[in-house]
Amino acid sequence: DAGVTQSPTHLIKTRGQQVTLRCSPISGHKSVSWYQQVLGQGPQFIFQYYEKEERGRGNFPDRFSARQFPNYSSELNVNALLLGDSALYLCASSLTGARTDTQYFGPGTRLTVL
Amino acid sequence: GENVEQHPSTLSVQEGDSAVIKCTYSDSASNYFPWYKQELGKGPQLIIDIRSNVGEKKDQRIAVTLNKTAKHFSLHITETQPEDSAVYFCAASKSGTYKYIFGTGTRLKVLA
Repeated sequence: DAGVTQSPTHLIKTRGQQVTLRCSPISGHKSVSWYQQVLGQGPQFIFQYYEKEERGRGNFPDRFSARQFPNYSSELNVNALLLGDSALYLCASSLTGARTDTQYFGPGTRLTVL
Repeated sequence: GENVEQHPSTLSVQEGDSAVIKCTYSDSASNYFPWYKQELGKGPQLIIDIRSNVGEKKDQRIAVTLNKTAKHFSLHITETQPEDSAVYFCAASKSGTYKYIFGTGTRLKVLA
């Protein structure tokens, strides 16, 4: 079975640009969460979506937005990129998104903002 | 605010020895504590978790202990092997939220 997949693997953007990252959850999983992992730190929660509805949001500015599609895949959008947005963006899927559901992480998208 | 501190940041052990990683959480309402292993170029993988109604949980060479009073929890790996080398993250979560608060990670090196 395929695990969580993310695209692209790497991305280089310049300040002020916009970026869209994509995630496909494990088949049968209805919840997708997004995390930002800055080098040398633990992942920080950005969003969780379940059944296409936003169910939780971390302490990130409105420049960050996301959505979930009927097939449960998800996109994370970041507008007006800043140098500080450079990070590994991780997507995690789980069956229902409950706290105690196992979250399966994808390999991440490495975003570099120049 | 919510915070999880993790120590040490790096840990080197000889193959066959034990490794212990410790975390402290700030929110006393936290009641679910997963541990993740992250290998180079991969996303974090859940290795063990514990709920607040349990003091200890073991899975083969891996165990986790929880002290709710002190708000500490620890990961114990026995008989370490080179393939245990990775970055380990602790996390905490509480009822009513869907987010995990992660620690800053421990880079474990198992020397052959």
